[in-house]
Amino acid sequence: NAGVTQTPKFRVLKTGQSMTLLCAQDMNHEYMYWYRQDPGMGLRLIHYSVGEGTTAKGEVPDGYNVSRLKKQNFLLGLESAAPSQTSVYFCASSYSVGNTEAFFGQGTRLTVV
Amino acid sequence: AQSVTQLDSQVPVFEEAPVELRCNYSSSVSVYLFWYVQYPNQGLQLLLKYLSGSTLVESINGFEAEFNKSQTSFHLRKPSVHISDTAEYFCAVIRMDSSYKLIFGSGTRLLVRP
Repeated sequence: NAGVTQTPKFRVLKTGQSMTLLCAQDMNHEYMYWYRQDPGMGLRLIHYSVGEGTTAKGEVPDGYNVSRLKKQNFLLGLESAAPSQTSVYFCASSYSVGNTEAFFGQGTRLTVV
Repeated sequence: AQSVTQLDSQVPVFEEAPVELRCNYSSSVSVYLFWYVQYPNQGLQLLLKYLSGSTLVESINGFEAEFNKSQTSFHLRKPSVHISDTAEYFCAVIRMDSSYKLIFGSGTRLLVRP
């Protein structure tokens, strides 16, 4: 079982470029989340999904878009990258709310120059 | 609004000493509570969780946390830490309303010294 897989693991972007981060899970989980982790700020929720075809905004959604066309995949898009989006991005998934743990990917380190 | 506050950004402690990592939350509805641990260059792993029932929950590696509804706290404790416990610890909540957002605190770095 691969669990939660994020691609790519590292990326350097120039300001204004676009990119998509892919999160794939093979555990048939309903819930998927995208977070960014910055020093001293913990993990902040960007967007999340409670099932295939659904998405919702988290705490810091501006500058990001997401899609959940297939249950196993949750894509995070940056349309026009900014230096403020330099961060480590984590994807997580869980089978249901609360009574099961969230499984995390290994993270994507993104630098915007 | 929902928030999670971890009062200490870093806690240095000597090996075999006890430790407490503090977590407070604010929510107008019932919540589920969690502690996650992150080792260097890795994703987060669940340490323990409180859903209902006994307010004291334990993990397999000696950590425990107690849910205190009146103080809206969920502090993490261990009576004797090891060098291998050095990591960052995150408190998290899920609101039991329609939002189902998993929200994390800012984290506490536990640094265990020999």
